[in-house]
Amino acid sequence: GNSVTQMEGPVTLSEEAFLTINCTYTATGYPSLFWYVQYPGEGLQLLLKATKADDKGSNKGFEATYRKETTSFHLEKGSVQVSDSAVYFCALRARSGYSTLTFGKGTMLLVSP
Amino acid sequence: DAGVIQSPRHEVTEMGQEVTLRCKPISGHNSLFWYRQTMMRGLELLIYFNNNVPIDDSGMPEDRFSAKMPNASFSTLKIQPSEPRDSAVYFCASSPGQERTEAFFGQGTRLTVV
Repeated sequence: GNSVTQMEGPVTLSEEAFLTINCTYTATGYPSLFWYVQYPGEGLQLLLKATKADDKGSNKGFEATYRKETTSFHLEKGSVQVSDSAVYFCALRARSGYSTLTFGKGTMLLVSP
Repeated sequence: DAGVIQSPRHEVTEMGQEVTLRCKPISGHNSLFWYRQTMMRGLELLIYFNNNVPIDDSGMPEDRFSAKMPNASFSTLKIQPSEPRDSAVYFCASSPGQERTEAFFGQGTRLTVV
């Protein structure tokens, strides 16, 4: 079956530090890949996506590249802000037939001033 | 569009009572998902509808849970009878197409069963 593995958190960084949150996946075929962000008390918001190999998704300074050879979709940001503190979820949705979103367990990011 | 709308935002109920959660998906979307989020288990898919038809309900915990989608603009998740272990945040999400498209989430319903 499909699965997503994320690094465990919390990830604690100082403002302006570099961020990497690792994500690897297992799926049949070539799924679409997503990063969602959840701020406290809110629902999940789509942060970025990539739909085919070597695609780079980017938004709000975050980016992730779809790596088929390593089945990875790591999230990066060059300089984090306190306002980036949230829980980040990696997800995939397969192409075959009726498909659902499969999520990783989420990684909490805490950024201090 | 107003996005996915869930109601109520918060629900506190006593054990044994019936609880109904409601969801209005984004207009034109043909896929709808119900998820449950807890600290212990993370995000769990409960049920997936496509064109108002339940496609995958393997995540529904037990017979106490039921979900309906009578039309393209409304879905309900019912728990009867409710138990304290059902306490969680329940999210509804909708998606424009069957595959390779992202889902848009509602704000969630925080359910507390005492």
